[in-house]
Amino acid sequence: DTGVSQNPRHKITKRGQNVTFRCDPISEHNRLYWYRQTLGQGPEFLTYFQNEAQLEKSRLLSDRFSAERPKGSFSTLEIQRTEQGDSAMYLCASSFRDGLSYTFGSGTRLTVV
Amino acid sequence: DAKTTQPNSMESNEEEPVHLPCNHSTISGTDYIHWYRQLPSQGPEYVIHGLTSNVNNRMASLAIAEDRKSSTLILHRATLRDAAVYYCIRGPGGTTSGTYKYIFGTGTRLKVLA
Repeated sequence: DTGVSQNPRHKITKRGQNVTFRCDPISEHNRLYWYRQTLGQGPEFLTYFQNEAQLEKSRLLSDRFSAERPKGSFSTLEIQRTEQGDSAMYLCASSFRDGLSYTFGSGTRLTVV
Repeated sequence: DAKTTQPNSMESNEEEPVHLPCNHSTISGTDYIHWYRQLPSQGPEYVIHGLTSNVNNRMASLAIAEDRKSSTLILHRATLRDAAVYYCIRGPGGTTSGTYKYIFGTGTRLKVLA
């Protein structure tokens, strides 16, 4: 296992388009997290899965955002009708059930023009 | 979801020790203290975590105050590759049930001078 993989690394999209990001966690990890990070800020929590169950969603995750983790393996984060304010780095992390050590991916940088 | 308090930035000379402070005055008895660092254009990287006792690993040491209201991350010999944003996070952990997430603050930007 080479760590947490996120694709694509960069995405430029026009306002109003839909985008989907993929995260492949470390295979032994039960938990998967999505965070969003804007320039100069720390990562902000968006949502988290334990296996295939989505257990918590942040108020930041509007109706335009949806995340899935079918079969408890990879996860996708979709943003519908993108807005300029969605421009950010989207980070995925995974951990064992105890949550004591996260492994983050390198992120997907989204630019909405 | 109270965040921790860290200085915005610090500087250190290369090959000297660095002490990065963190205040977490509202920490609960079961909260762990976690440290992560983030290099430019990368996701955060795990550094160390602890509950009550001081902890050492190959990357750093974590010194936790007796009242647990503050902690210090110690890099024993800073190198240029240690230049990063360091995040101190308090939160639950070590459980196998319930929800758990990290709440990040803005961290401390460490500059290492050659």
